Amino acid sequence: GAGVSQSPSNKVTEKGKDVELRCDPISGHTALYWYRQSLGQGLEFLIYFQGNSAPDKSGLPSDRFSAERTGGSVSTLTIQRTQQEDSAVYLCASSITGGPRTDTQYFGPGTRLTVL
Amino acid sequence: DQQVKQNSPSLSVQEGRISILNCDYTNSMFDYFLWYKKYPAEGPTFLISISSIKDKNEDGRFTVFLNKSAKHLSLHIVPSQPGDSAVYFCAASAGNQGGKLIFGQGTELSVKP
Repeated sequence: GAGVSQSPSNKVTEKGKDVELRCDPISGHTALYWYRQSLGQGLEFLIYFQGNSAPDKSGLPSDRFSAERTGGSVSTLTIQRTQQEDSAVYLCASSITGGPRTDTQYFGPGTRLTVL
Repeated sequence: DQQVKQNSPSLSVQEGRISILNCDYTNSMFDYFLWYKKYPAEGPTFLISISSIKDKNEDGRFTVFLNKSAKHLSLHIVPSQPGDSAVYFCAASAGNQGGKLIFGQGTELSVKP
């Protein structure tokens, strides 16, 4: 079956512009996660969805970052007034229920965001 | 504060030999640990995991060892193959934080023929 897909694969934007990144999780997966990987760093947790609600938003770096999930499926990560430090690969993952002991998180290929 | 640390950014190993990748953590609330493998331009893929109630978990050529007192885990790959060349990430989670994973910085493994 289809894996996690993300679009666009690459996004170049100018400082100050808004961007939207999209994630399509594996069908039937109720849990969805956003991470980002800055150059030379590990993956940094951003936000976690269980269904359409986000019980953990603790990793969002600032109020310029927001995310939503609709219909328990597609999620959109929005970055407003982008800054150069937002440049990173943004990765989305999904899992069946969200419990780490039983659920593997399956990652998409990521969106590479470059802010000029 | 880096709660999960992989202090070796890179490792080079000869084909057929053992690869040992190390990971240290600081948060004593972590009770589940995972290793992910990442090829360029792809998302990470799950490799192996271990619960804190165990000290070893084996899956084919891959074995993960956990030393809770030292807050240290390691991934052993035996025998190493050129196809194992990738970036390996250690990750940890705490039972009260849902599926949130805290990742290390990664170690790039190169297996030479």
